[in-house]
Amino acid sequence: QSVVTQPPSASGTPGQRVTISCSGSSYNVGTNTVNWYHQAPGTAPKLLIYNQNQRPSGVPDRFSGSKSGTSASLAISGLQSEDEADYYCAAWDDTVNGVVFGGGTKLTVL
Amino acid sequence: QLQLHESGPGLVKPSETLSLTCTVSGGSVSSSTYYWGWIRQPPGKGLDWIGDISYSGSTYYNPSLNSRVTISVDTSMNQLSLKLTSVTAADTAVYYCARHPYGRNSFFDSWGQGTLVTVSS
Repeated sequence: QSVVTQPPSASGTPGQRVTISCSGSSYNVGTNTVNWYHQAPGTAPKLLIYNQNQRPSGVPDRFSGSKSGTSASLAISGLQSEDEADYYCAAWDDTVNGVVFGGGTKLTVL
Repeated sequence: QLQLHESGPGLVKPSETLSLTCTVSGGSVSSSTYYWGWIRQPPGKGLDWIGDISYSGSTYYNPSLNSRVTISVDTSMNQLSLKLTSVTAADTAVYYCARHPYGRNSFFDSWGQGTLVTVSS
């Protein structure tokens, strides 16, 4: 049972905008920066968004992150078939004294 | 470009010790800027943080595994290692090593490709 909660699945059609939520507590999401990882099937996770809303070099600006209180969101606009993957949020947790990951959201492009 | 590569036995018997190595190339484990972490992912499930280590060997473990896990760094070989004792089927997972570029509470910016370890007799 993850201390950070994500919906297990999300879906959208090509071109649509999709958001994935990430709900935590004052020990993690509420007080520390949130990062998002993308994991295509059979591959290692890859950093997608860091420090709430920063994109590493090479990540398209279709991907954006935000946070409010103890919740964060990943938005994907102009959905493409290649966006079909698992998405994980993560944050530092003050009680664990380490990183906690959300349970992951499987995004399906219909 | 930084590359991380995990290696080790793909099959471990219950109650035995799981031992993995992460070889780092294109960067140094001795850099005081970085911390290094291990993360695992059971088949079909999400990611779990195992622990972190600094260049100097300071370690930090997930409380849920604290009594069974040891992470170490070999600066001469530019490698990290992970040992997990008394394994059970619940420890079957893909194990990843990764880098925190700006301290332990930062993100993981580089990941290895992962190695699957199955615990079975």
